[in-house]
Amino acid sequence: DAGVIQSPRHEVTEMGQEVTLRCKPISGHNSLFWYRQTMMRGLELLIYFNNNVPIDDSGMPEDRFSAKMPNASFSTLKIQPSEPRDSAVYFCASSFTGRTEAFFGQGTRLTVV
Amino acid sequence: AQTVTQSQPEMSVQEAETVTLSCTYDTSESDYYLFWYKQPPSRQMILVIRQEAYKQQNATENRFSVNFQKAAKSFSLKISDSQLGDAAMYFCAYAGNMLTFGGGTRLMVKP
Repeated sequence: DAGVIQSPRHEVTEMGQEVTLRCKPISGHNSLFWYRQTMMRGLELLIYFNNNVPIDDSGMPEDRFSAKMPNASFSTLKIQPSEPRDSAVYFCASSFTGRTEAFFGQGTRLTVV
Repeated sequence: AQTVTQSQPEMSVQEAETVTLSCTYDTSESDYYLFWYKQPPSRQMILVIRQEAYKQQNATENRFSVNFQKAAKSFSLKISDSQLGDAAMYFCAYAGNMLTFGGGTRLMVKP
């Protein structure tokens, strides 16, 4: 298996633009997580899906952020409109169940100018 | 909600020496897993070691071992014979009904 695949690896966008981050989890995993990592806040859980259903989205910062998982092999995290404070590394991770180890993608480094 | 605390923002160790990274967690669950992840400068998150809460025996993976104290809710990581490649951020993580990470400890290895 190729592991968790995230795209793009890097994204630079202007303030106010829409940004979409993509994730393909490991086949057979039924839990998917989106994390945001910054120097100030560390690793923050944004949203957690189980069997394609959002279980906990309490970490989603505000209405500008939305996440979907239309099927077991694909998820998106959208920011609209983007702001400079959204600049961070965004990780997607998947696990067999929510209780086992999560495998991470390479992350997307987002820069909003 | 579960919380994971890593009280050491930075640690330093001499090459070939041993270092212990601390982690405590707060939970009311009895069945859960604990993990240590390593994040080198490449930013890839790498699983180092895992521990099931129902197991009393401490997990070991080569030079990495844990000291799991369930009653104290403590889960420390010991790195023996430290190598330059061990320099990284280390994250403690708790997996109960959700996967929660600590704030991380930056480990520096001095040659």
